[in-house]
Amino acid sequence: AQSVTQLDSQVPVFEEAPVELRCNYSSSVSVYLFWYVQYPNQGLQLLLKYLSGSTLVKGINGFEAEFNKSQTSFHLRKPSVHISDTAEYFCAVTRTGAQKLVFGQGTRLTINP
Amino acid sequence: DGGITQSPKYLFRKEGQNVTLSCEQNLNHDAMYWYRQDPGQGLRLIYYSQIVNDFQKGDIAEGYSVSREKKESFPLTVTSAQKNPTAFYLCATSPIRDRVVNTEAFFGQGTRLTVV
Repeated sequence: AQSVTQLDSQVPVFEEAPVELRCNYSSSVSVYLFWYVQYPNQGLQLLLKYLSGSTLVKGINGFEAEFNKSQTSFHLRKPSVHISDTAEYFCAVTRTGAQKLVFGQGTRLTINP
Repeated sequence: DGGITQSPKYLFRKEGQNVTLSCEQNLNHDAMYWYRQDPGQGLRLIYYSQIVNDFQKGDIAEGYSVSREKKESFPLTVTSAQKNPTAFYLCATSPIRDRVVNTEAFFGQGTRLTVV
């Protein structure tokens, strides 16, 4: 069975500082990995995804993530955050033939001025 | 406008009542999902469907029921058997190509249900 662990429930950072949101997964087979963002009282929006190929994936709003198979990680990074990045971020995993995504518990990113 | 419409956005229910949450999509996606979101617990899968007139239980199906009479619609009923129904409910869809569920899910804006 697949599972996802987001190591930090809350991450506070100052505006224009870099940020990393951590995600580790467990699976015995090849996986597909995703990061979603959720603004208050809204649905989830896809930030980026890793399906195959280059392990460095670039997404929307200046975010990127690196797939590390040996460490079973898919950490999300942004070199300089903005107040508008304040949101909850979810890491998710699935595999070929699976019928659903498995989500982590979420990380609340708070940007302070 | 293509997308997923969940209604209503806010819903209040008295204890002991059943309530139905609507999810409609015009993306022509075959797979549809219902998730429940509680603070600090991420998203948990309630039910999913890959084809009309067929659906499967997710991880927390007890106290919920669904139907899939049309490809575009996947309503969720929260029954009185659900002991703690107050939560944020999200509907999602995903295309199926070559009999494989596409890996990416698209989400509606959610319905916040409060039991009063």
